[in-house]
Amino acid sequence: EAQVTQNPRYLITVTGKKLTVTCSQNMNHEYMSWYRQDPGLGLRQIYYSMNVEVTDKGDVPEGYKVSRKEKRNFPLILESPSPNQTSLYFCASSRLSLGLELFFGEGSRLTVL
Amino acid sequence: GQQLNQSPQSMFIQEGEDVSMNCTSSSIFNTWLWYKQDPGEGPVLLIALYKAGELTSNGRLTAQFGITRKDSFLNISASIPSDVGIYFCAGLNAGGTSYGKLTFGQGTILTVHP
Repeated sequence: EAQVTQNPRYLITVTGKKLTVTCSQNMNHEYMSWYRQDPGLGLRQIYYSMNVEVTDKGDVPEGYKVSRKEKRNFPLILESPSPNQTSLYFCASSRLSLGLELFFGEGSRLTVL
Repeated sequence: GQQLNQSPQSMFIQEGEDVSMNCTSSSIFNTWLWYKQDPGEGPVLLIALYKAGELTSNGRLTAQFGITRKDSFLNISASIPSDVGIYFCAGLNAGGTSYGKLTFGQGTILTVHP
């Protein structure tokens, strides 16, 4: 089954404790991206990657890091989480030839205390 | 970053009514996408538009890519209870150094009363 898998789905952590949210897709998509969803703000792009070893900042990259060492994986790293990073995070992927018709994961709800 | 203004922010309608929502931007996009998000799930693509003026249907859904390339609308005809959810528009930059940057609207929360 074609899917985008995120882990963990739910996480409560404390300020400053490094964490990684993993994202994996099994569709051989070139493009992967991370978004955060906050009430009233819609989905805001954090980082995106057009292919392996190619990453670019989205609209809200501060406080986040990403890497794209393999085509299928695109982890989101919070080196020193802060409470304003409490949010619902989505990973998505697409073939570039589809004009970015994104397939989304189920989301990861992160709470930073 | 770029802004997409999506309206209305929320709608409360009766089953059977038609629904219309739209997105406007100060920038030109070369692709417009419409997504629906059900509670507790990730957004799912409804319709993709690739050319200015394009009108595309998917069942009871119809979407158009504005001729100025700065706007798009989505219509839902004869709404049913399962249409409930959050609808998002998204625009893809026209190219150059920003290609790959997808901007989403704030979302329209749709409630359908049986």
